[in-house]
Amino acid sequence: DVKVTQSSRYLVKRTGEKVFLECVQDMDHENMFWYRQDPGLGLRLIYFSYDVKMKEKGDIPEGYSVSREKKERFSLILESASTNQTSMYLCASSSRGAGLHGANVLTFGAGSRLTVL
Amino acid sequence: GENVEQHPSTLSVQEGDSAVIKCTYSDSASNYFPWYKQELGKRPQLIIDIRSNVGEKKDQRIAVTLNKTAKHFSLHITETQPEDSAVYFCAASKNTNAGKSTFGDGTTLTVKP
Repeated sequence: DVKVTQSSRYLVKRTGEKVFLECVQDMDHENMFWYRQDPGLGLRLIYFSYDVKMKEKGDIPEGYSVSREKKERFSLILESASTNQTSMYLCASSSRGAGLHGANVLTFGAGSRLTVL
Repeated sequence: GENVEQHPSTLSVQEGDSAVIKCTYSDSASNYFPWYKQELGKRPQLIIDIRSNVGEKKDQRIAVTLNKTAKHFSLHITETQPEDSAVYFCAASKNTNAGKSTFGDGTTLTVKP
């Protein structure tokens, strides 16, 4: 029944390493999102995509990039991990069709907890 | 961009009491306001939402109210139970930009038996 799958639940990386976080959804959703969750700061949007090969910056894109080569897959890339990127990363997806019932409703993945040493 | 403020950050109630969480938003074009519940160690899940064409929506023990003029919306939980203990997030979004949601900082609700 899992609809949004994040490939890694826990990762430990070293400063300067390149990190890939993968997210796959099986609901044929057009929109996909990467959020970062830190205690007391809620969920902050890093990047989002509304179509294949399309990407838009969210509120905190610095230090991150994304890739969406296929509709079902949205990858978050940390080119050179830093300790301040230690966090929980949540992927989510939603359907297009603004104004229709169910549009804009986010389905989240289980999260990827990244520790950068 | 949109800014969503959520209060209180923590809330502790006795089982059976009511709980109210309030959010304000800044962008008058926002028209969709969901509430997500995140239990410890789990993913956020939608519990109720409201669109800007209605002022109130109820689903069993939970309800959401929206005041578009004042740009605030609230979550009401009645007859709270220990399983209501979780972090609750409000959010706001509109029809542009893939409907991206801006979240509040979250409220940790503890229901004491």
